Amino acid sequence: GEDVEQSLFLSVREGDSSVINCTYTDSSSTYLYWYKQEPGAGLQLLTYIFSNMDMKQDQRLTVLLNKKDKHLSLRIADTQTGDSAIYFCAEVSHFGNEKLTFGTGTRLTIIP
Amino acid sequence: GAGVSQTPSNKVTEKGKYVELRCDPISGHTALYWYRQSLGQGPEFLIYFQGTGAADDSGLPNDRFFAVRPEGSVSTLKIQRTERGDSAVYLCASSIPGTGINEQFFGPGTRLTVL
Repeated sequence: GEDVEQSLFLSVREGDSSVINCTYTDSSSTYLYWYKQEPGAGLQLLTYIFSNMDMKQDQRLTVLLNKKDKHLSLRIADTQTGDSAIYFCAEVSHFGNEKLTFGTGTRLTIIP
Repeated sequence: GAGVSQTPSNKVTEKGKYVELRCDPISGHTALYWYRQSLGQGPEFLIYFQGTGAADDSGLPNDRFFAVRPEGSVSTLKIQRTERGDSAVYLCASSIPGTGINEQFFGPGTRLTVL
């Protein structure tokens, strides 16, 4: 079955860039997503990338996809204290299969 | 507009009891999903409804778990003979499938604790 893996923790100084990495096993992934989870709040979709793209930029967020290596990354520029959260990558394996497969999540801590 | 709501926000029960968890999706969203998130893990898919019918229930762990969506809107996840291992946050999401990325909008979850 599908498997999505992430490192558990990342600490970054305020103002630096954060890079959160994710690897997945399903070569038929169509869309890949980054979700943010803050304490007491629901999962929020941050950004996504379609599998035929290799990069997507959205303001401070840059998503890179290496389909050959099945590696996805999320870069957050100028990291702020409000970026402290758990970040999940997720994938949908093919059109018509709507279920999301999530990674274990990376807890991002901002050092003042 | 209103987002996905889930009730109760917290539920504490004893081993062996029956529980029901409710999800109110965003109005007009035909797809509804249940996920389970254990401590320190990512959400795991349980079941997906398209309208009133379960389109994919492959994630339900065993026959103690059942979900319904009789009118294609509100859904109830039912757990019989609860076990301590059922303790988790149960998340509900809704979406309008067929819209490209099929963004799923998540509720705040119900935290279930089985003593």
